[in-house]
Amino acid sequence: DAGVIQSPRHEVTEMGQEVTLRCKPISGHNSLFWYRQTMMRGLELLIYFNNNVPIDDSGMPEDRFSAKMPNASFSTLKIQPSEPRDSAVYFCASSSAKRGYNSPLHFGNGTRLTVT
Amino acid sequence: AQSVTQLGSHVSVSEGALVLLRCNYSSSVPPYLFWYVQYPNQGLQLLLKYTTGATLVKGINGFEAEFKKSETSFHLTKPSAHMSDAAEYFCAVNRNSGNTPLVFGKGTRLSVIA
Repeated sequence: DAGVIQSPRHEVTEMGQEVTLRCKPISGHNSLFWYRQTMMRGLELLIYFNNNVPIDDSGMPEDRFSAKMPNASFSTLKIQPSEPRDSAVYFCASSSAKRGYNSPLHFGNGTRLTVT
Repeated sequence: AQSVTQLGSHVSVSEGALVLLRCNYSSSVPPYLFWYVQYPNQGLQLLLKYTTGATLVKGINGFEAEFKKSETSFHLTKPSAHMSDAAEYFCAVNRNSGNTPLVFGKGTRLSVIA
C-alpha cells in the first residue's frame, strides 16, 4: 500500500498565479479530506468528499479555492488567483467511510505552498 | 458541536522522563477520541483512538491515553521519553454517530532534551 500520495511536495509561485495541488487516496478508501496547516490557525478542514461527492466545503476560505474529485483515485485543490496569505502546508487524507468517520485518517506528506 | 483544547502549545521533557500531553474535549454526545503524531515534513499518523469499551487505550511507540468522562479529558502519556518522540501531537474528537469528520486541536510540540 503506497499510502496517500500528494504532489508536488513543494510549490513556489508568484501572487496571482494559479496553483493546483493533487492527491491520490489509498485504494478502496471512499472519503477524502483536504486540510490546511499554518502556524497561526493550526489544522483546518477545507473540504471533504464521500464517494467522490463534496459533502461540506464550508471550510474553503474564499471563492478563489476550488476542489474536485473526478473519480475515486484522484482529487485536486486549485487556488486561482493565489495570494501570499495562502502560503501553508496543504494535506490530503483519506479514510474508509464504510466504517464511519471514526475510521482513522491516513494523511499524505503534504504540499508546502509558498506564494511570493 | 465538538471541540478539543490542548493545554500547552509546547512541552519540553528530559529523555527518560514522563510525557504528559493534555487534551480536554467538548461534546454533547459520547465522543470518539484520537491522538495523532506529526514528525517534521510528514503528515499526521494515528497514535491511538478511543471509541467504546476500555477507557485506557494503548497505542504505538509506548503511548497510552485514558478517557475520563467526568473530567472530559483524554490526556496522552508515556512513562519514559525517547529522543525519537520529539514531534507535534494532535488530539481530535468526533461524534460517535460517525457522520462528521474529525475536529483537531491546535497541537502540542514535544521537545525531548538529552
